[in-house]
Amino acid sequence: DTGVSQDPRHKITKRGQNVTFRCDPISEHNRLYWYRQTLGQGPEFLTYFQNEAQLEKSRLLSDRFSAERPKGSFSTLEIQRTEQGDSAMYLCASSSGVNEKLFFGSGTQLSVL
Amino acid sequence: GEDVEQSLFLSVREGDSSVINCTYTDSSSTYLYWYKQEPGAGLQLLTYIFSNMDMKQDQRLTVLLNKKDKHLSLRIADTQTGDSAIYFCAERSGNNRLAFGKGNQVVVIP
Repeated sequence: DTGVSQDPRHKITKRGQNVTFRCDPISEHNRLYWYRQTLGQGPEFLTYFQNEAQLEKSRLLSDRFSAERPKGSFSTLEIQRTEQGDSAMYLCASSSGVNEKLFFGSGTQLSVL
Repeated sequence: GEDVEQSLFLSVREGDSSVINCTYTDSSSTYLYWYKQEPGAGLQLLTYIFSNMDMKQDQRLTVLLNKKDKHLSLRIADTQTGDSAIYFCAERSGNNRLAFGKGNQVVVIP
């Protein structure tokens, strides 16, 4: 058990709907990451927080995507007006910064119909 | 920039050794990692190596790093059926994130 938990595990939605995912990192970790993984690919970086500050965003993160970490603990990732191309596994990871070892949650599998 | 490449598929008999290879492009990478992913699960950190090291051994796992060729390998000794998974290498470079390869599927044949 890595200690990073994500909710929900699975989400099925219709195109055009909004969805929100939650990530609870390991409690003492100040860094939190969101990655996206599609079938047959490795995880692709989306965004990164140090405490509550969002320090980096990938060009993959279109205007329809927004992530927050309001109190420097849990984080949410919202996708507005979902498209079929958003279907993927959304992975959250946290790190204490030492050796930058990332510990991943089990992910949220999103299917957009 | 960051670009990590891996071969796609490896089958190995139980008890044999398996070797997974990876190449990376960012010569400024400080740490390199191996992760394991089982079906429907997140990624599990297996081991990592600092860029000033050539080799690291951790129980059945041996990591070899050739900085000159930007080549990283993972050797699993006495491969078990529970080792069947997808293995990802990843590099950390100047920014605070990891770049992953596409993964290498390992299938262990009993």
